[in-house]
Formats: sequence, structure tokens, C-alpha cells
Amino acid sequence: GEDVEQSLFLSVREGDSSVINCTYTDSSSTYLYWYKQEPGAGLQLLTYIFSNMDMKQDQRLTVLLNKKDKHLSLRIADTQTGDSAIYFCAPRRGSARQLTFGSGTQLTVLP
Amino acid sequence: DAGVTQSPTHLIKTRGQQVTLRCSPKSGHDTVSWYQQALGQGPQFIFQYYEEEERQRGNFPDRFSGHQFPNYSSELNVNALLLGDSALYLCASSTDSPYEQYFGPGTRLTVT
Repeated sequence: GEDVEQSLFLSVREGDSSVINCTYTDSSSTYLYWYKQEPGAGLQLLTYIFSNMDMKQDQRLTVLLNKKDKHLSLRIADTQTGDSAIYFCAPRRGSARQLTFGSGTQLTVLP
Repeated sequence: DAGVTQSPTHLIKTRGQQVTLRCSPKSGHDTVSWYQQALGQGPQFIFQYYEEEERQRGNFPDRFSGHQFPNYSSELNVNALLLGDSALYLCASSTDSPYEQYFGPGTRLTVT
């Protein structure tokens, strides 16, 4: 099955850029999603990229995909305290309809 | 647009009991997926319902069952509760095109 790995923790200063990394194992992943989860809440869909793309930009968010290395990253520009949360990458494998989640990266934004 | 809604918000049950969780999908969505999120972990896929049938299932025992109604809302049933079933249960709704899963706020189940 699919394995998804992320660093557990990341701390940045307010105003800096944050880069959250993710590696996955299944090369048949078609769509790769980024979700944000705040304490005690559900998951908020941030953005996603199709596997035939290298990059996608959406306001402060930039997603980079290296399909050869099965590496996905999410860059948040001008990080704010409201960006503090857990971030999950979630590949969708082939024609499967479920998403596979890693353990997430806890982003802490320091003032 | 109300988004995905779930009820109840919190639930406390005793080991061996049965529980039913409910989900209403986002307007325009016909597919409902259920995930279990243990503390400190990412969500794990339980199953997905489409056209009132279970379309795909993850690695969960038969104690976990579900139902989808004609209005696309869904229920998750768990029988013979174990302490390890304590988790946040998330419902997500979607359509096939584009394939975007939107999650509800979850139901926090505690089994004592």
C-alpha cells in the first residue's frame, strides 16, 4: 500500500516562508492534496496538484512535485500566526477513491 | 452553503456498546467517505458510499458498517466497541469531477 512520510514538526518566524515536505511511495498517485487541520477541527482542503504538473501556485501557497523522487512540498509565503496548524499531504492512488494520509507536520509560527 | 455537517460532536460510550454517527454532505456532492483519526495520527480510510452502496473499503473489521440514504447523507455504525475505537471520526463528501474531498468537523468518540 501507499506510505506517506512527513517531518513531524516545523517552526518558523512570522513573515518568513514555510516549506513542508512529503514523500510518498506509490508512483501511480494521480492527485496529491494538501490539507490543514487546526486543533479540535476537521480537515480543510488547501490545494492539490495533478501528477502531470510540476508546480501549482495559489495565492500564498506554492506546491512543487518531483514525480521521479516521489517528493511533494508545500511552500507558504509570508507565514502568519493563523497558519499554525497540522498540515497533511494526501496522495490519491491511481483510480482509488480514498486518500492516504501521513502523520502530518505540526507548523508553529513564532511572533 | 452549509458544507459537510456531522452529528453528534462528542460521544462517550462503554466498551461493548454500539454507536451510530451521522453525516450530511456538502450541497451537490453525491459521495461520502468515512475516516478514523486516532490521536496524533493522520486519518485512515474506513469506507466510501456512492449511490447507496459501499464502493470501496479500507482495512477495518466488519464491526464497522455504514449506510447511505437517497438524499446522500450517511451513517457510520460501529458494533461491539473496543477501547481502541476511541478516535475522531471524519466524514468527507465529494463528486467524481473534480475529485475534491471536503471534510466535516468530525465526531469525537470516547470509549470507556
